Amino acid sequence: DAGITQSPRYKITETGRQVTLMCHQTWSHSYMFWYRQDLGHGLRLIYYSAAADITDKGEVPDGYVVSRSKTENFPLTLESATRSQTSVYFCASSEFGGRTNEKLFFGSGTQLSVL
Amino acid sequence: GENVGLHLPTLSVQEGDNSIINCAYSNSASDYFIWYKQESGKGPQFIIDIRSNMDKRQGQRVTVLLNKTVKHLSLQIAATQPGDSAVYFCAEKEGGATNKLIFGTGTLLAVQP
Repeated sequence: DAGITQSPRYKITETGRQVTLMCHQTWSHSYMFWYRQDLGHGLRLIYYSAAADITDKGEVPDGYVVSRSKTENFPLTLESATRSQTSVYFCASSEFGGRTNEKLFFGSGTQLSVL
Repeated sequence: GENVGLHLPTLSVQEGDNSIINCAYSNSASDYFIWYKQESGKGPQFIIDIRSNMDKRQGQRVTVLLNKTVKHLSLQIAATQPGDSAVYFCAEKEGGATNKLIFGTGTLLAVQP
């Protein structure tokens, strides 16, 4: 039971570089999410997706791009990384059924440092 | 959620004691609430949830209380164990909105042996 996996676990990059964080889930959940976690701010939603080819902005989308060509994958791309994007990034998924299950299942996170 | 600056609120308890972690939520239209536990180096893990038509829900060793009048949520952990040491987050979802949760900034629970 693989669940939801993120890669890489740790990433160091330089300002201005493009970085892609990967997220894969094996549950066929409809919804997938990207959060960033910073001390003092808790978890903030970057982007989410209700289904393949459907994405929408969250609270802090600037500087990020997402895609969802397949239900199981939801990569997050930083087009030109900045130091303010140094953070821990969490991917999550949930099954949105008729009884509205909002419970999120989180990956283990990617710790990104932008130098 | 609350912005508590650069320092996480910390609750220190003795092993075996009961713990109460509090959370003030912001949106009176929120109709669903969840508590998550996050251990060091791991992603948040679901503990317990409650809908706004309830004021109490119990799980195994945990109880969530909801006071809609003052927009307050609490998590009670009975007989706290060292393995309960973690950061605990509350999250709220606005009624009718898409599947988005708003998270609080978290409370660090430190269990002293």
